[in-house]
Amino acid sequence: EAAVTQSPRNKVAVTGGKVTLSCNQTNNHNNMYWYRQDTGHGLRLIHYSYGAGSTEKGDIPDGYKASRPSQENFSLILELATPSQTSVYFCASGDPGLGSAETLYFGSGTRLTVL
Amino acid sequence: QQKVQQSPESLIVPEGAMTSLNCTFSDSASQYFAWYRQHSGKAPKALMSIFSNGEKEEGRFTIHLNKASLHFSLHIRDSQPSDSALYLCAHTGNYKYVFGAGTRLKVIA
Repeated sequence: EAAVTQSPRNKVAVTGGKVTLSCNQTNNHNNMYWYRQDTGHGLRLIHYSYGAGSTEKGDIPDGYKASRPSQENFSLILELATPSQTSVYFCASGDPGLGSAETLYFGSGTRLTVL
Repeated sequence: QQKVQQSPESLIVPEGAMTSLNCTFSDSASQYFAWYRQHSGKAPKALMSIFSNGEKEEGRFTIHLNKASLHFSLHIRDSQPSDSALYLCAHTGNYKYVFGAGTRLKVIA
């Protein structure tokens, strides 16, 4: 099964600090995604990428940057963290199969608390 | 922005019952529809998907899609305590899945 690894698992940051969340996938999937999950909102898309060097804005990109330096790695960067960014962040990878739906494979999540 | 509404928000059913979860989407041009299941503290995991009107059955799980009524549903036959989880529906048209807020299901023995 597809493997997506996120680090760190838990992170406590201070308001105004810089936070980098990392994601690595070993399945050679072209597409990678960053979501945040909050009660009552489900999974909301922050940024996504179609391959190395590409990043695209999702539905809630404000306050976040993304970086895809290689096929395997996709990072989410909070340059100036705010308490409203306290959430659980999930990375996912996927590849749209020919004639079939893309299946997303999620990492175990990073719980971020901004004080 | 595409929207997905799920109902009910939460549900408690006895073991062995039939469970029905509902999803309403706003974009009739959406191509693919999927259900994901997330056990407490775990990552979401794909359950089933469909891209044309009709039904699809896998074991105790059946999904039903009606694009005309913008409705997508998941039915669990003979619900088990291990089915207790957050169920997320999603749809996509351009390689971007849009997820609903989820239905939290608890199956009591």
